[in-house]
Amino acid sequence: QLQLQESGPGLVKPSETLSLTCTVSGGSISSSSYYWGWIRQPPGKGLEWIGSIYYSGSTYYNPSLKSRVTISVDTSKNQFSLKLSSVTAADTAVYYCASSIAVAGLGGLGIWGQGTMVTVSS
Amino acid sequence: DIQMTQSPSSLSASVGDRVTITCQASQDISNYLNWYQQKPGKAPKLLIYDASNLETGVPSRFSGSGSGTDFTFTISSLQPEDIATYYCQQYDNLMYTFGQGTKLEIK
Repeated sequence: QLQLQESGPGLVKPSETLSLTCTVSGGSISSSSYYWGWIRQPPGKGLEWIGSIYYSGSTYYNPSLKSRVTISVDTSKNQFSLKLSSVTAADTAVYYCASSIAVAGLGGLGIWGQGTMVTVSS
Repeated sequence: DIQMTQSPSSLSASVGDRVTITCQASQDISNYLNWYQQKPGKAPKLLIYDASNLETGVPSRFSGSGSGTDFTFTISSLQPEDIATYYCQQYDNLMYTFGQGTKLEIK
């Protein structure tokens, strides 16, 4: 059973880079069967997709965040990561990693991590 | 970019009621539409994928329909454990967009 777990700092200073890692267990991040993605949710608000990556390294980003986002895969650690640069208070949110089965397009996000709260504050 | 308009934003219903949520896409997305349930403090859970397919293990009282731009999510008989916020999500053109969410409460 595939499981995902987010990790990273819970507090980031404004203008700095937010960095999170998602560790995959119960399956291989190199599998052609999955897309790996990041989604966030500001306190009391809705869900926002940040971006996704395929095992091949192909990335797909939300156009509204694309200039600040990098998603990458580390196959040696069975992890994928998120970097979001030049953060502001508006980036304060619960950040989720999730996976979808690659059948036709990105598919449904069937497996989620528990989420990690990141606060942007000096 | 494809926009998703979900309605209503909140809904109050009684146990046993039939509940319907709608989602409209700003352009044709075929059947590339998923529905999620999110309970407070928890990660979202995929209920319906590709507009009408029930995810494994999800109770049959949940269903989805539609294609193109207009989609419907239905709970046939509302149960107390269904209290949550529900989101639609499109995934056309290698991008995801979520609807604004519908907060479902018990009357």
